[in-house]
Amino acid sequence: KAGVTQTPRYLIKTRGQQVTLSCSPISGHRSVSWYQQTPGQGLQFLFEYFSETQRNKGNFPGRFSGRQFSNSRSEMNVSTLELGDSALYLCASSSLLSGAYNEQFFGPGTRLTVL
Amino acid sequence: QQQVKQSPQSLIVQKGGISIINCAYENTAFDYFPWYQQFPGKGPALLIAIRPDVSEKKEGRFTISFNKSAKQFSLHIMDSQPGDSATYFCALTGAGSYQLTFGKGTKLSVIP
Repeated sequence: KAGVTQTPRYLIKTRGQQVTLSCSPISGHRSVSWYQQTPGQGLQFLFEYFSETQRNKGNFPGRFSGRQFSNSRSEMNVSTLELGDSALYLCASSSLLSGAYNEQFFGPGTRLTVL
Repeated sequence: QQQVKQSPQSLIVQKGGISIINCAYENTAFDYFPWYQQFPGKGPALLIAIRPDVSEKKEGRFTISFNKSAKQFSLHIMDSQPGDSATYFCALTGAGSYQLTFGKGTKLSVIP
């Protein structure tokens, strides 16, 4: 089975621009989560989608948004980019196991640099 | 408020030695404690996980020890190898949850 894929792998933007990142989950996985990884704050949860619905959201400003399509692929968007948005953005997918721990499978991430 | 405190930030261990990474948490609502391993340029990958009703879980050279009363858990890597050099993250989650709360990470370097 192919793993989680994220595109693009690297991205350079300037302040004030917006950016869209894409994630394709493992085939059959319907849950997609996004995380931001920075040296200072570590790994922080952004949001989680299941069946095209956002089920959970982390403590990030409204400039961060996402969506999920019917094929479970997901995109996240950051508008009005700030220097502090420079980070590795990780996507993780998971299958649905009721009442059990749901292992998260991470993609390689998209490295966003804001100049 | 940091929900899980991980230490040390970095660790250098000789090949063949034991690597120990510790995590302490505050909120007892979590009921699953995974450890993730991340190599440069890669996303984190699940290494081993434990439930709080178990005090210890071993998989190969990797062992998690869990102390529920102290709200602490630790990762032990026996016979550490240069290939184990990576960043390790402890995490918290709940059954049925898809949200992971991570520690800040420990960069492990195993020197020959």
